[in-house]
Amino acid sequence: KQEVTQIPAALSVPEGENLVLNCSFTDSAIYNLQWFRQDPGKGLTSLLLIQSSQREQTSGRLNASLDKSSGRSTLYIAASQPGDSATYLCAVINTGTASKLTFGTGTRLQVTL
Amino acid sequence: NAGVMQNPRHLVRRRGQEARLRCSPMKGHSHVYWYRQLPEEGLKFMVYLQKENIIDESGMPKERFSAEFPKEGPSILRIQQVVRGDSAAYFCASSPGQGEKLFFGSGTQLSVL
Repeated sequence: KQEVTQIPAALSVPEGENLVLNCSFTDSAIYNLQWFRQDPGKGLTSLLLIQSSQREQTSGRLNASLDKSSGRSTLYIAASQPGDSATYLCAVINTGTASKLTFGTGTRLQVTL
Repeated sequence: NAGVMQNPRHLVRRRGQEARLRCSPMKGHSHVYWYRQLPEEGLKFMVYLQKENIIDESGMPKERFSAEFPKEGPSILRIQQVVRGDSAAYFCASSPGQGEKLFFGSGTQLSVL
């Protein structure tokens, strides 16, 4: 059974800092991995999707890496801004599970002025 | 191009009543997924549907819960005889195909009194 863990559970940083969020998964037979952000009372916004054959994806100030063999992914946020404050969720789709996402419990990020 | 639309945003039911949650996928998306987020817990997969077919319902409770995605109209998640433990945020997501990026709606917050 796939289990996804995110560390830390909560993080507070001053504006402008670079930061790394960690995600680990127990079953390396994944089809892809996605990073989402969730704002309070709102739905999820997909940030980056990494296929199992890829090592990383970049979008603006965000960079996500994937090391499938070790069961790890990181989300790097450069030059953090208060608007980045949200909960960040990592989710994987296992091969053969027809698009069923297994989510981590998230990292709650607070970027302070 | 409207995103995934869920309604209602908030739904209050008394124990024993029925709850019907609706989800209209993004235009061109024929794959719909329902997830549940219990308080202080991560999102859990419930069911995956394509038009008129249930593909994977391994996350659905065995009783009282059902889902459909008819040929015409939105996908419906139906909960009969609700109990307090059903109180949660229910999210719908859609994708154009299997294994592709999922787009989430803003969710329906169900409160059972």
